[in-house]
Amino acid sequence: EIVLTQSPGTLSLSPGERATLSCRASQSVGNRYLAWYQQKPGQAPRLLIYGASGRATGIPDRFSGSGSGTDFTLTISRLEPEDFAVYYCQHYGRSRTFGQGTKVEIK
Amino acid sequence: QVQLVQSGAEVKKPGASVRVSCKVSGYTLTELSMHWVRQTPGKGLEWMGNFDPEDGETVYAQKFQGRVTMTADTSTDTAYMELSRLRSEDTAVYYCATDRWAPLDIWGQGTMVTISP
Repeated sequence: EIVLTQSPGTLSLSPGERATLSCRASQSVGNRYLAWYQQKPGQAPRLLIYGASGRATGIPDRFSGSGSGTDFTLTISRLEPEDFAVYYCQHYGRSRTFGQGTKVEIK
Repeated sequence: QVQLVQSGAEVKKPGASVRVSCKVSGYTLTELSMHWVRQTPGKGLEWMGNFDPEDGETVYAQKFQGRVTMTADTSTDTAYMELSRLRSEDTAVYYCATDRWAPLDIWGQGTMVTISP
């Protein structure tokens, strides 16, 4: 089972700033099967990125993903007020695992 | 448009079982692989496993092996997740989700399951 470790645990930033979130896998993620989700309180998660860098339908282009192998990054180029939330990475092979999440909070 | 509508909140006693349903609308269940994810209070997301109604194949996370059963009724386009031998740590929101165009791009609204003596 691939273990995903996200960092930092919490990111305190102001609207308009750039956010960089990291997801490190315990072993190489084949076929770049790595996704990112956003979750707000009381809501189900929402898919942002899949295949490490592909944006899901309707996701603004300020969200971008990169990486391969064991190191992946989600970047939000300029934070909007609605972007303050918790972000999870996920490996989606035959079985799936989530990272523990990164909270992006208003500074 | 695919929608997943889950059953309502449940309160169960320790040792009991709970079954959560997830009804598919706007699509046919046999064309979807249904995943189940839970979230304990204040914690992160935990993938429990998935069920493929087309061939009946299941993949369960090791943590839940022996306690979880995922099934489906294709006549009503409804998927089910049953968790047995419940304990207090199973108090959580349980979600169904599916890969429609991309991994877990469609989610149900969640079902709160509370384990209380």
